[in-house]
Amino acid sequence: GAVVSQHPSRVICKSGTSVKIECRSLDFQATTMFWYRQFPKQSLMLMATSNEGSKATYEQGVEKDKFLINHASLTLSTLTVTSAHPEDSSFYICSATVQGAGETQYFGPGTRLLVL
Amino acid sequence: DQQVKQNSPSLSVQEGRISILNCDYTNSMFDYFLWYKKYPAEGPTFLISISSIKDKNEDGRFTVFLNKSAKHLSLHIVPSQPGDSAVYFCAAKDSGAGSYQLTFGKGTKLSVIP
Repeated sequence: GAVVSQHPSRVICKSGTSVKIECRSLDFQATTMFWYRQFPKQSLMLMATSNEGSKATYEQGVEKDKFLINHASLTLSTLTVTSAHPEDSSFYICSATVQGAGETQYFGPGTRLLVL
Repeated sequence: DQQVKQNSPSLSVQEGRISILNCDYTNSMFDYFLWYKKYPAEGPTFLISISSIKDKNEDGRFTVFLNKSAKHLSLHIVPSQPGDSAVYFCAAKDSGAGSYQLTFGKGTKLSVIP
């Protein structure tokens, strides 16, 4: 149980285009999902916390107009990188918490974004 | 200001021996700690956790020790296996903050040598 999927696993796009990344909890309902970004040899940096049916809470320094998050249902959250630039190239990972399971976050497999 | 620190970026251990990964934290409000294992280009996988009301939690080959007074925790893997080679992240949470947010360390890359 507690499987989280992400799609796509890898995406290459041109500068200026928008990219949408989906995060799904496959076998549980996730009231809260998180979006992280990881640079090479760096820690996971929390970008935003997404609660179903409400606006995402963004961490300091994260542009909410650039990284649009939608948590439309208890099993799906999407991150859209708008007008992507090469500096947005990174590894994006989502996680979800299991209702009733307390503290543990279960992570998706990540999405590698490369902006040319 | 890093609230969760993993001061060893890498560690090499012989197969069959014990691997000890260390983690220090500065925020005294943290009361729940987790260890994650991560392979390159994959998401982290939850390994083991410990609440601040305990000082030890064991699950198979993995044991986590918590020393609250020293604000230190460690993950012991014994015996170490080549498949354990990965990056291990320590994470901490303040349950009283009312959210599920985790604060991660920078990770320690473990290499288990056959």
